Amino acid sequence: DAGVTQSPTHLIKTRGQQVTLRCSPKSGHDTVSWYQQALGQGPQFIFQYYEEEERQRGNFPDRFSGHQFPNYSSELNVNALLLGDSALYLCASSSLADRGGEKLFFGSGTQLSVL
Amino acid sequence: GNSVTQMEGPVTLSEEAFLTINCTYTATGYPSLFWYVQYPGEGLQLLLKATKADDKGSNKGFEATYRKETTSFHLEKGSVQVSDSAVYFCALSMAAGNKLTFGGGTRVLVKP
Repeated sequence: DAGVTQSPTHLIKTRGQQVTLRCSPKSGHDTVSWYQQALGQGPQFIFQYYEEEERQRGNFPDRFSGHQFPNYSSELNVNALLLGDSALYLCASSSLADRGGEKLFFGSGTQLSVL
Repeated sequence: GNSVTQMEGPVTLSEEAFLTINCTYTATGYPSLFWYVQYPGEGLQLLLKATKADDKGSNKGFEATYRKETTSFHLEKGSVQVSDSAVYFCALSMAAGNKLTFGGGTRVLVKP
């Protein structure tokens, strides 16, 4: 059983560009959350998707947007990249039936570098 | 808003030493509390959890007790191994959903 898979693993972009990161949830999971982890810091919640809709959103600007597909996979899009967007982007999946984050599975992340 | 504060690292220990990583939280309501571990090049893994006051979570020799009176969830291990070298994150989640609020992480380095 594959866990949470993310692609690509590494990405280099320049300021002003747009980027799309992808995530496939663990089998049986229907909810996908995205987190940003800056170097030396803890992950920060970006947003969560369920039934192809954004259910919760953290304190991130509208440049950060997402999408969830009928097969539960998800994309994170970031427009007008800034140097400060350089971070490890983590995807986590779970089942909505699981309350309180007790069975959240994380992918290994996409390391985004903005030059 | 909710927040988690944990001791800054790095923490450097010798093998078989005792490890403590302090974690305190601020939350409206009664959160579930977690410790996650991040090994080099890997994703976050749940280490242990506690869902209500006085619960003790334990796994792989690590323990943490949910202390409501001190709003703390300190992580302890009696005898660390080199393989315990990793970054440890304390986190909380409210019952309304799966959003996790993380602390800043504590890097632990265990030397042989």
